[in-house]
Amino acid sequence: KNEVEQSPQNLTAQEGEFITINCSYSVGISALHWLQQHPGGGIVSLFMLSSGKKKHGRLIATINIQEKHSSLHITASHPRDSAVYICAVQETSGSRLTFGEGTQLTVNP
Amino acid sequence: NAGVTQTPKFQVLKTGQSMTLQCAQDMNHNSMYWYRQDPGMGLRLIYYSASEGTTDKGEVPNGYNVSRLNKREFSLRLESAAPSQTSVYFCASTYQQGNYGYTFGSGTRLTVV
Repeated sequence: KNEVEQSPQNLTAQEGEFITINCSYSVGISALHWLQQHPGGGIVSLFMLSSGKKKHGRLIATINIQEKHSSLHITASHPRDSAVYICAVQETSGSRLTFGEGTQLTVNP
Repeated sequence: NAGVTQTPKFQVLKTGQSMTLQCAQDMNHNSMYWYRQDPGMGLRLIYYSASEGTTDKGEVPNGYNVSRLNKREFSLRLESAAPSQTSVYFCASTYQQGNYGYTFGSGTRLTVV
């Protein structure tokens, strides 16, 4: 079982829809990161959070430390949101990030 | 622009050839990392450098070596490339290990034939 599991693996939405991507983890963490990767592109950090909720534009990230679960929400989705979204956790026991496999999001016009 | 610069962006090697992937950051970060990204798998850590002068193995270090040349630069070397090393390689940096954000380079797409 992977330490970081994302769902769904693939998600197709229509422009304007509200999108949720989930991340569950099994290890103790000090922080959780959400990253975005466009096709053929680099990786961009969206959020780092250790509790509660953060918002940036149309993106919202939440984390429940007790349940070991985080969600990334996109409101009013747009085709330019099409990308792979990656969850990564900073383990308390070590120095490295552990990554989920990513969620491929496609938003159709 | 401040950030992490990786070179080259693309490379094709023959089996057995060697090459060095370069990474430089200008954000005064202490920690630097090399990852590989393969289809169907999350990013996996190859090597990292927690601070200038130190390097440590990650999950998948076999077939690779690294050099932390100075605070800015962290290079990854493939001494004898193998087809299994075909991958996309990302360099990343952070101020220091702990609860700090990470900055990633744009990646190097390496094909070994």
